[in-house]
Amino acid sequence: NAGVTQTPKFRVLKTGQSMTLLCAQDMNHEYMYWYRQDPGMGLRLIHYSVGEGTTAKGEVPDGYNVSRLKKQNFLLGLESAAPSQTSVYFCASSPLGGRYNEQFFGPGTRLTVL
Amino acid sequence: GDSVTQMEGPVTLSEEAFLTINCTYTATGYPSLFWYVQYPGEGLQLLLKATKADDKGSNKGFEATYRKETTSFHLEKGSVQVSDSAVYFCALMDSSYKLIFGSGTRLLVRP
Repeated sequence: NAGVTQTPKFRVLKTGQSMTLLCAQDMNHEYMYWYRQDPGMGLRLIHYSVGEGTTAKGEVPDGYNVSRLKKQNFLLGLESAAPSQTSVYFCASSPLGGRYNEQFFGPGTRLTVL
Repeated sequence: GDSVTQMEGPVTLSEEAFLTINCTYTATGYPSLFWYVQYPGEGLQLLLKATKADDKGSNKGFEATYRKETTSFHLEKGSVQVSDSAVYFCALMDSSYKLIFGSGTRLLVRP
């Protein structure tokens, strides 16, 4: 039981390049989330999904797209990377929504955009 | 909108000292409250939670009590260890079941 895994762990991009971050969970969770973590700002929600085939915008969605074609995977795409997207990206999953449910986090992807 | 405010760090303590990390929140209704911990190079892990007023969450010697009257959820531990060095995040779950995080407080425990 690997929990939540993220690929890759590190990546350096040049401005304007594109990339996809992959999140996978093996806990059969319905909900999945993408956050970014910046110094002094905690974690901010980018996009989330409440089930296979669904996506929704979070607090800071601009410049990102997501897809949830399979229940266990949640992809985060950057079409044209900008230096402002330099951050650490965390994926999380939870069984369902609701006030009692814990979110389980992956180990993070550190992205640098030059 | 909903928000969480944490004390700024870093907090530096000697081993076996008492720890308090302050957390206050602003929210409509009565959100669930959480403390997450992030060890160096790792993702976040749930440390404890409380889902209603006066609930006390506890885990690994850490405690926090949901205080509706002061809109607070302060984290405490009676005797910290070097292994407790990490970043601690207070969070609330909003009415749409999304987590709102504070900015995090770094704790450094010296031997």
